[in-house]
Amino acid sequence: DGGITQSPKYLFRKEGQNVTLSCEQNLNHDAMYWYRQDPGQGLRLIYYSQIVNDFQKGDIAEGYSVSREKKESFPLTVTSAQKNPTAFYLCASVQGPSYNEQFFGPGTRLTVL
Amino acid sequence: RKEVEQDPGPFNVPEGATVAFNCTYSNSASQSFFWYRQDCRKEPKLLMSVYSSGNEDGRFTAQLNRASQYISLLIRDSKLSDSATYLCVLYGGYQKVTFGTGTKLQVIP
Repeated sequence: DGGITQSPKYLFRKEGQNVTLSCEQNLNHDAMYWYRQDPGQGLRLIYYSQIVNDFQKGDIAEGYSVSREKKESFPLTVTSAQKNPTAFYLCASVQGPSYNEQFFGPGTRLTVL
Repeated sequence: RKEVEQDPGPFNVPEGATVAFNCTYSNSASQSFFWYRQDCRKEPKLLMSVYSSGNEDGRFTAQLNRASQYISLLIRDSKLSDSATYLCVLYGGYQKVTFGTGTKLQVIP
């Protein structure tokens, strides 16, 4: 079945460590997104990528980095520069410029200890 | 003013009731509008698109009012399984996707 996978589902990190969240899709979608969701807040865009080897900062990119070396993969690194990284991280994809529906992965819940 | 505003709720309604949510937006350039459903600790999933002419899917009806800049979602004959948070989403291109904070619905037996 086609879809988006994220791993791990739960992640615990010590302060000062970098961690990388995985996002893979086999939908052949062009665009991919990373969002962060905090309790009582809407989804906030961290980074997005329209094509391979190209990505753009979203509203809250500070302390995060991404890469898009393959169409299927869009990993997110949460660096030690991110001041408050504990959150629910969601990856999404969109088929192409004429399509609007965002398909989401199941999310990664990151907790900083 | 926030780009998208939703009443956070919770809306507590009995089974079989009709319930309606509104979502107001400030960016008149928004191109497309959607309602997503998000269950607790899960990812959002598309419920339905919203058109000016209205969009109905079974017990769910969505409406867009561009003049007053709001979208609405009506749920008839509420089921226990409808309990979730409903997010309104505005799409203005790849880089401009705005999510509301969601309205929580709790259907009570």
